[in-house]
Amino acid sequence: DAGITQSPRHKVTETGTPVTLRCHQTENHRYMYWYRQDPGHGLRLIHYSYGVKDTDKGEVSDGYSVSRSKTEDFLLTLESATSSQTSVYFCAISEFPGGGSSYEQYFGPGTRLTVT
Amino acid sequence: AQSVTQPDIHITVSEGASLELRCNYSYGATPYLFWYVQSPGQGLQLLLKYFSGDTLVQGIKGFEAEFKRSQSSFNLRKPSVHWSDAAEYFCAVRNDYKLSFGAGTTVTVRA
Repeated sequence: DAGITQSPRHKVTETGTPVTLRCHQTENHRYMYWYRQDPGHGLRLIHYSYGVKDTDKGEVSDGYSVSRSKTEDFLLTLESATSSQTSVYFCAISEFPGGGSSYEQYFGPGTRLTVT
Repeated sequence: AQSVTQPDIHITVSEGASLELRCNYSYGATPYLFWYVQSPGQGLQLLLKYFSGDTLVQGIKGFEAEFKRSQSSFNLRKPSVHWSDAAEYFCAVRNDYKLSFGAGTTVTVRA
């Protein structure tokens, strides 16, 4: 299994509070991703990173920010949590494509976030 | 941008029976296609992938998938389902350095 951990694994927070989720990898992969998973929607990309300090928005980025100060860590922050952000959040990593890599991503175990 | 559609939200299959999950992709010159499985409470695990070569791809856990360009499909199959195959299955397609996922198909296995 790819070395990806997420913390915390479960969190309950109140509306309006800031929340930071952490993804840590030991694979030295260049690309890192944050997804949210909701019933009927599959996985939707929030933000991704293609290197240290290099990030870009995904399809559902409103209300979320990210930071990557080291190759191994990718942080997702909800500046002011809302009930619509109750979800399961997954981190994923991917090698730089080429040399036989075919863009597959490897996923962490997920963080279940409940905003009350 | 490329996308995938999984027409079946839920499938129920008897243990020992065959399973086929459908995935249709939008037009693209060279689709990179993937199937992932998610067991309850777990993250996603890559079952198999296709990006070139033989259109019949073998994966882990006894799964295979066939790429059919004429039908824009990449269906997942397993000849004989085990109770442990009960899970949610996601098809995905590459978009630049990202993946776009289908909504998923939940598989229930009955004894």
